Amino acid sequence: EAGVVQSPRYKIIEKKQPVAFWCNPISGHNTLYWYRQNLGQGPELLIRYENEEAVDDSQLPKDRFSAERLKGVDSTLKIQPAELGDSAVYLCASSLEKGSGSATTYEQYFGPGTRLTVT
Amino acid sequence: KQEVTQIPAALSVPEGENLVLNCSFTDSAIYNLQWFRQDPGKGLTSLLLIQSSQREQTSGRLNASLDKSSGRSTLYIAASQPGDSATYLCAGRTSYDKVIFGPGTSLSVIP
Repeated sequence: EAGVVQSPRYKIIEKKQPVAFWCNPISGHNTLYWYRQNLGQGPELLIRYENEEAVDDSQLPKDRFSAERLKGVDSTLKIQPAELGDSAVYLCASSLEKGSGSATTYEQYFGPGTRLTVT
Repeated sequence: KQEVTQIPAALSVPEGENLVLNCSFTDSAIYNLQWFRQDPGKGLTSLLLIQSSQREQTSGRLNASLDKSSGRSTLYIAASQPGDSATYLCAGRTSYDKVIFGPGTSLSVIP
């Protein structure tokens, strides 16, 4: 079974330029997550999709970040314009979630990430 | 605001030792908890998942437990090996339906 696929693996851009990341989740997984991980820290959730709906985007800097998940499968995360502080690893994860509230069952699977360097 | 701490931040042990990593949530209302390992420059690999109806999970030399009343989880690694060297992260699904990660414990197992 193929895992979560992300591209590109590495990206170097100058500040104020746009950048986009792509994620293909595990087949059949209804939930997709985008995280940002700074060096020496745990991942921070940017946005979570359940099928096509963004159910949690409270941590997404909406002035410059946007995301979409067309047809509830692949997803794209975009930054425009990029700033120096956006340099980080951007991780995509997916899970098959069932139930709700305290009865929710899920297990997250992560892609290899995209390392973004803004100069 | 829910916060997560992991203790210790870094750990270096000789090969063969048993060790315990700790994860603690300020808000003890955690529904599920997942332990991951992350190798340098790589994504996260799932190790163990404790669902809301469970208290612990075991896989090989790994055992994880979750005490929901205190919001604390431990990851026990038996007979550590150099290949266990990595960063270990815990992530919890809170009662507010948020997924929150800890900062990680960096483990080094010396041959």
